Amino acid sequence: AQKVTQAQTEISVVEKEDVTLDCVYETRDTTYYLFWYKQPPSGELVFLIRRNSFDEQNEISGRYSWNFQKSTSSFNFTITASQVVDSAVYFCALSEASGGNDMRFGAGTRLTVKP
Amino acid sequence: KAGVTQTPRYLIKTRGQQVTLSCSPISGHRSVSWYQQTPGQGLQFLFEYFSETQRNKGNFPGRFSGRQFSNSRSEMNVSTLELGDSALYLCASSLVRGRVGTEAFFGQGTRLTVV
Repeated sequence: AQKVTQAQTEISVVEKEDVTLDCVYETRDTTYYLFWYKQPPSGELVFLIRRNSFDEQNEISGRYSWNFQKSTSSFNFTITASQVVDSAVYFCALSEASGGNDMRFGAGTRLTVKP
Repeated sequence: KAGVTQTPRYLIKTRGQQVTLSCSPISGHRSVSWYQQTPGQGLQFLFEYFSETQRNKGNFPGRFSGRQFSNSRSEMNVSTLELGDSALYLCASSLVRGRVGTEAFFGQGTRLTVV
C-alpha cells in the first residue's frame, strides 16, 4: 500500500530564511512517481515538480530545490531565501506506476513566511 | 493555453439532494481525475477517466460517480448528499503515455457545502 507522510503540520519562518519541508513515502512498487504541489489560499493546486523512482538526481529550480533519497524513502523540498509569496500549503504526493494516474497525497505542510 | 476549468466554483445544497460538478481539462489532455479535499481527511482520490472510461477508482461509496465525454470534459455526480460531503472538489487533467500520466494540472475546485 502506498503512503505519504508529511510530519510537519505547520512551519513559520521569517523572510529570507531557508526552509525545508519533509516528505517520507512508502510503496511496494519499484516504479513510482513523486510530486510536490503548492496550494495558495485560492485553492488551486500548483504543480512544482515530478520525479520518477529511477532518477535520484537532485533538482534545483531558482530558489527551490529537491532532495530525493531512495535509501531513506524521502523527497524533501527546500526553499532558499523564503519570501512572503511562498506562504501556502505544500503537498507531497506519490503515484505508483501500477496504479494508473491517481496520486496519494500527504497531509500537507502549511508554510507561513513573515515579513 | 487555458487551464483546467471547474464549474461552478461554489455550491450550497441540502442533505438528500444530488449535485453535478463539471470539469473541462486542458486542451489535448485526455485524462481527468477527481479529488475530494476536507480538513479531516485531506486530499483523497475519487476516480480517473481516460477516453470516456473509468480507469481507476478510490475508496468512496457508490453515491459518487462520474463520466467523461468524447471531448474529454468530465462530470462528477454525488447523489443523496450527506453533511460529510461538504468539501473542495478538485479536478486534474494530464497527458497520458501508456499506463501512467505526466504531471497533473488542477483546477481551482468547486466548494460544495451541504446544509
